[in-house]
Amino acid sequence: NAGVTQTPKFRVLKTGQSMTLLCAQDMNHEYMYWYRQDPGMGLRLIHYSVGEGTTAKGEVPDGYNVSRLKKQNFLLGLESAAPSQTSVYFCASTIPPTQGENTGELFFGEGSRLTVL
Amino acid sequence: GQSLEQPSEVTAVEGAIVQINCTYQTSGFYGLSWYQQHDGGAPTFLSYNGLDGLEETGRFSSFLSRSDSYGYLLLQELQMKDSASYFCAVRGGDNTDKLIFGTGTRLQVFP
Repeated sequence: NAGVTQTPKFRVLKTGQSMTLLCAQDMNHEYMYWYRQDPGMGLRLIHYSVGEGTTAKGEVPDGYNVSRLKKQNFLLGLESAAPSQTSVYFCASTIPPTQGENTGELFFGEGSRLTVL
Repeated sequence: GQSLEQPSEVTAVEGAIVQINCTYQTSGFYGLSWYQQHDGGAPTFLSYNGLDGLEETGRFSSFLSRSDSYGYLLLQELQMKDSASYFCAVRGGDNTDKLIFGTGTRLQVFP
């Protein structure tokens, strides 16, 4: 009963390096989201996807790219990491808002803690 | 753009009742949700209001008034374990599929 799984859970990068965060969900959810959360702050939406092969920009998309090649996976990429991208990254998934008994519930992964030196 | 404002911090004592408000600027959204987050953990879902009015789930209740652009989370019979951050979130605001979170309220419960 995995739910939403994020890998890696911790990572330290040097400025300019690239990396990819993987989010995998086993609940057959159409909608997936990537958020970042800085210390003492709220969650800010980076990118989201409403289905396989589709992605869209959120509130803070600059410096990030995403791909949704398979329904169960949503990848977040940093092409050239910067210290300002040091944060905790959360992935979440849910069903479409018009699908039957939608409760508005997002299912979150445990988070990926990224430090950029 | 969309924005959701919450008080930054609320304090209360065990057994008390506390209300956390959320005022928003958005339109055309599906509903308002509430999440709890303990330090170092992921947000967990508490409640959802798709329609105006009050929703009750155990010790927690949530309210939405679209005409007033306002909602709140009510926590009753506070326990020490309720000390956490609480976030409101709107889904589908401004006719998008975004799910945007509020600024967050840190609740401290004292003995």
